[in-house]
Amino acid sequence: EAAVTQSPRNKVAVTGGKVTLSCNQTNNHNNMYWYRQDTGHGLRLIHYSYGAGSTEKGDIPDGYKASRPSQENFSLILELATPSQTSVYFCASGDAGGFDYTFGSGTRLLVI
Amino acid sequence: TQTVSQSDAHVTVFEGDSVELRCNYSYGGSIYLSWYIQHHGRGLQFLLKYYSGNPVVQGVNGFEAEFSKSDSSFHLRKASVHWSDSAVYFCAVSPNTGYQNFYFGKGTSLTVIP
Repeated sequence: EAAVTQSPRNKVAVTGGKVTLSCNQTNNHNNMYWYRQDTGHGLRLIHYSYGAGSTEKGDIPDGYKASRPSQENFSLILELATPSQTSVYFCASGDAGGFDYTFGSGTRLLVI
Repeated sequence: TQTVSQSDAHVTVFEGDSVELRCNYSYGGSIYLSWYIQHHGRGLQFLLKYYSGNPVVQGVNGFEAEFSKSDSSFHLRKASVHWSDSAVYFCAVSPNTGYQNFYFGKGTSLTVIP
Protein backbone atom coordinates (compact mmCIF):
# COMPACT_ATOMS: atom_id res chain seq x y z
CA GLU A 1 0.00 0.00 0.00
CA ALA A 2 1.28 3.42 -0.96
CA ALA A 3 2.25 5.47 2.03
CA VAL A 4 4.21 8.33 3.53
CA THR A 5 6.48 7.33 6.39
CA GLN A 6 8.13 9.78 8.75
CA SER A 7 10.97 9.17 11.14
CA PRO A 8 11.53 9.57 13.95
CA ARG A 9 8.06 9.59 15.46
CA ASN A 10 9.24 11.59 18.45
CA LYS A 11 12.42 13.58 18.97
CA VAL A 12 13.93 15.57 21.82
CA ALA A 13 16.72 17.92 20.80
CA VAL A 14 18.85 20.45 22.61
CA THR A 15 18.95 24.10 21.67
CA GLY A 16 21.66 24.72 19.09
CA GLY A 17 21.80 21.13 17.98
CA LYS A 18 21.18 19.80 14.49
CA VAL A 19 17.97 17.89 13.79
CA THR A 20 17.05 15.95 10.67
CA LEU A 21 13.50 14.79 10.06
CA SER A 22 13.08 12.18 7.37
CA CYS A 23 10.21 11.38 5.06
CA ASN A 24 9.81 8.52 2.62
CA GLN A 25 6.96 8.02 0.17
CA THR A 26 6.04 5.03 -1.92
CA ASN A 27 3.32 6.84 -3.91
CA ASN A 28 5.70 7.79 -6.74
CA HIS A 29 4.47 11.36 -6.33
CA ASN A 30 6.48 14.21 -7.79
CA ASN A 31 5.60 16.73 -5.10
CA MET A 32 6.53 16.54 -1.43
CA TYR A 33 5.88 18.99 1.38
CA TRP A 34 6.87 19.76 4.95
CA TYR A 35 4.38 21.44 7.28
CA ARG A 36 4.40 22.27 10.93
CA GLN A 37 1.26 22.21 13.03
CA ASP A 38 0.82 24.46 16.02
CA THR A 39 -2.23 25.23 18.10
CA GLY A 40 -3.94 28.31 16.77
CA HIS A 41 -2.08 28.24 13.47
CA GLY A 42 -3.22 25.11 11.73
CA LEU A 43 -0.71 23.77 9.20
CA ARG A 44 1.95 26.05 7.79
CA LEU A 45 4.10 25.21 4.80
CA ILE A 46 7.85 25.21 5.46
CA HIS A 47 9.45 23.77 2.31
CA TYR A 48 8.31 21.79 -0.68
CA SER A 49 9.77 20.00 -3.66
CA TYR A 50 8.63 19.22 -7.22
CA GLY A 51 11.04 16.37 -7.72
CA ALA A 52 14.45 14.98 -6.96
CA GLY A 53 17.02 17.72 -6.57
CA SER A 54 14.50 20.54 -6.15
CA THR A 55 13.54 22.39 -2.99
CA GLU A 56 11.42 25.52 -2.67
CA LYS A 57 10.66 27.82 0.24
CA GLY A 58 7.19 27.78 1.68
CA ASP A 59 5.56 30.35 3.92
CA ILE A 60 7.82 29.93 6.98
CA PRO A 61 11.23 28.68 5.77
CA ASP A 62 13.44 30.59 8.20
CA GLY A 63 15.54 28.28 10.36
CA TYR A 64 14.88 25.27 8.13
CA LYS A 65 16.55 23.63 5.17
CA ALA A 66 15.24 20.84 2.99
CA SER A 67 16.80 18.14 0.88
CA ARG A 68 15.27 15.96 -1.84
CA PRO A 69 17.92 13.47 -2.89
CA SER A 70 15.49 11.14 -4.64
CA GLN A 71 11.87 10.83 -5.70
CA GLU A 72 11.10 8.90 -2.53
CA ASN A 73 12.90 10.90 0.16
CA PHE A 74 12.50 14.43 1.46
CA SER A 75 14.27 15.62 4.59
CA LEU A 76 13.79 18.66 6.79
CA ILE A 77 16.91 19.95 8.49
CA LEU A 78 17.18 22.24 11.48
CA GLU A 79 20.83 23.28 11.58
CA LEU A 80 20.55 25.14 14.89
CA ALA A 81 17.40 24.06 16.68
CA THR A 82 15.56 26.57 18.86
CA PRO A 83 12.71 26.08 21.37
CA SER A 84 10.39 27.97 18.99
CA GLN A 85 10.74 25.04 16.61
CA THR A 86 9.03 22.74 19.08
CA SER A 87 6.06 21.51 17.08
CA VAL A 88 4.51 18.61 15.22
CA TYR A 89 5.90 18.24 11.72
CA PHE A 90 4.02 16.61 8.88
CA CYS A 91 5.33 15.44 5.56
CA ALA A 92 3.01 14.99 2.60
CA SER A 93 3.26 13.84 -0.97
CA GLY A 94 1.08 14.81 -3.90
CA ASP A 95 0.81 14.04 -7.58
CA ALA A 96 1.37 17.07 -9.78
CA GLY A 97 -1.75 16.20 -11.73
CA GLY A 98 -4.04 15.80 -8.76
CA PHE A 99 -4.75 17.71 -5.63
CA ASP A 100 -5.18 15.31 -2.79
CA TYR A 101 -2.27 14.86 -0.50
CA THR A 102 -1.14 11.80 1.39
CA PHE A 103 0.16 12.73 4.82
CA GLY A 104 2.58 10.99 7.12
CA SER A 105 1.72 10.37 10.75
CA GLY A 106 3.83 13.26 11.98
CA THR A 107 7.00 13.82 13.99
CA ARG A 108 6.66 15.40 17.40
CA LEU A 109 9.76 17.53 18.07
CA LEU A 110 10.63 19.02 21.43
CA VAL A 111 13.58 21.41 21.58
CA ILE A 112 14.83 22.05 25.11
CA THR B 1 -2.52 36.30 -0.80
CA GLN B 2 -4.99 33.52 -0.30
CA THR B 3 -6.59 32.87 3.07
CA VAL B 4 -8.75 30.13 4.43
CA SER B 5 -11.09 30.85 7.31
CA GLN B 6 -12.82 28.26 9.46
CA SER B 7 -15.04 30.34 11.69
CA ASP B 8 -15.77 27.69 14.32
CA ALA B 9 -12.81 26.44 16.34
CA HIS B 10 -15.01 23.91 18.18
CA VAL B 11 -18.34 22.27 17.38
CA THR B 12 -20.14 19.85 19.70
CA VAL B 13 -23.14 17.78 18.62
CA PHE B 14 -24.92 14.60 19.68
CA GLU B 15 -24.66 11.36 17.78
CA GLY B 16 -27.28 11.24 15.06
CA ASP B 17 -27.39 15.02 14.66
CA SER B 18 -26.53 16.76 11.42
CA VAL B 19 -23.51 19.02 11.30
CA GLU B 20 -22.09 21.72 9.06
CA LEU B 21 -18.49 22.85 9.33
CA ARG B 22 -17.87 26.18 7.69
CA CYS B 23 -15.04 27.19 5.39
CA ASN B 24 -14.60 30.50 3.60
CA TYR B 25 -11.69 31.40 1.41
CA SER B 26 -10.22 34.48 -0.15
CA TYR B 27 -8.68 34.07 -3.56
CA GLY B 28 -9.47 35.66 -6.87
CA GLY B 29 -8.43 32.98 -9.31
CA SER B 30 -9.14 29.38 -10.11
CA ILE B 31 -8.72 27.10 -7.14
CA TYR B 32 -8.98 23.59 -5.86
CA LEU B 33 -10.79 22.99 -2.56
CA SER B 34 -10.43 20.05 -0.22
CA TRP B 35 -11.37 18.85 3.23
CA TYR B 36 -9.15 16.72 5.44
CA ILE B 37 -9.79 14.97 8.73
CA GLN B 38 -7.29 14.48 11.54
CA HIS B 39 -7.95 12.06 14.34
CA HIS B 40 -6.08 12.64 17.58
CA GLY B 41 -2.37 11.89 17.22
CA ARG B 42 -2.66 11.01 13.55
CA GLY B 43 -1.84 12.57 10.22
CA LEU B 44 -4.40 14.24 8.00
CA GLN B 45 -6.57 12.07 5.80
CA PHE B 46 -8.25 13.22 2.60
CA LEU B 47 -12.07 13.49 2.72
CA LEU B 48 -13.18 15.11 -0.53
CA LYS B 49 -12.29 17.68 -3.16
CA TYR B 50 -13.80 20.10 -5.65
CA TYR B 51 -12.48 21.81 -8.73
CA SER B 52 -15.33 22.18 -11.19
CA GLY B 53 -18.71 20.77 -12.14
CA ASN B 54 -21.43 19.85 -9.66
CA PRO B 55 -20.93 22.13 -6.66
CA VAL B 56 -21.98 19.40 -4.25
CA VAL B 57 -19.32 16.76 -3.89
CA GLN B 58 -19.52 13.50 -2.00
CA GLY B 59 -16.73 12.18 0.17
CA VAL B 60 -16.04 9.20 2.37
CA ASN B 61 -18.16 8.16 5.35
CA GLY B 62 -21.23 10.16 4.31
CA PHE B 63 -19.58 13.55 4.19
CA GLU B 64 -20.40 16.05 1.47
CA ALA B 65 -19.41 19.61 0.76
CA GLU B 66 -20.93 22.38 -1.28
CA PHE B 67 -19.00 24.99 -3.20
CA SER B 68 -20.42 28.49 -3.53
CA LYS B 69 -18.54 30.95 -5.66
CA SER B 70 -20.79 33.84 -4.65
CA ASP B 71 -20.16 33.19 -0.96
CA SER B 72 -16.53 32.06 -1.41
CA SER B 73 -17.41 29.06 0.69
CA PHE B 74 -16.92 25.32 0.78
CA HIS B 75 -18.88 24.06 3.77
CA LEU B 76 -18.68 20.44 4.91
CA ARG B 77 -21.84 18.60 5.98
CA LYS B 78 -22.97 15.29 7.33
CA ALA B 79 -26.59 14.33 7.83
CA SER B 80 -26.11 12.01 10.81
CA VAL B 81 -22.84 11.97 12.73
CA HIS B 82 -21.31 9.06 14.61
CA TRP B 83 -19.09 9.28 17.68
CA SER B 84 -16.17 8.14 15.51
CA ASP B 85 -16.50 11.35 13.49
CA SER B 86 -14.98 13.22 16.42
CA ALA B 87 -11.80 14.74 15.01
CA VAL B 88 -10.33 17.97 13.71
CA TYR B 89 -11.39 18.96 10.21
CA PHE B 90 -9.28 21.12 7.94
CA CYS B 91 -10.36 23.00 4.87
CA ALA B 92 -7.65 23.51 2.25
CA VAL B 93 -7.33 25.73 -0.80
CA SER B 94 -4.87 25.34 -3.64
CA PRO B 95 -4.53 28.02 -6.31
CA ASN B 96 -4.59 26.51 -9.78
CA THR B 97 -0.99 27.27 -10.58
CA GLY B 98 -0.09 23.71 -11.44
CA TYR B 99 2.01 23.28 -8.33
CA GLN B 100 -0.70 22.07 -5.96
CA ASN B 101 0.50 23.93 -2.87
CA PHE B 102 -2.26 23.83 -0.31
CA TYR B 103 -3.16 26.47 2.24
CA PHE B 104 -4.98 25.16 5.27
CA GLY B 105 -7.47 26.70 7.62
CA LYS B 106 -6.84 26.50 11.37
CA GLY B 107 -9.20 23.59 11.74
CA THR B 108 -12.52 22.89 13.43
CA SER B 109 -12.58 20.40 16.28
CA LEU B 110 -15.75 18.31 16.12
CA THR B 111 -16.90 16.48 19.24
CA VAL B 112 -19.73 14.01 18.90
CA ILE B 113 -21.39 13.01 22.15
CA PRO B 114 -22.67 9.41 22.11
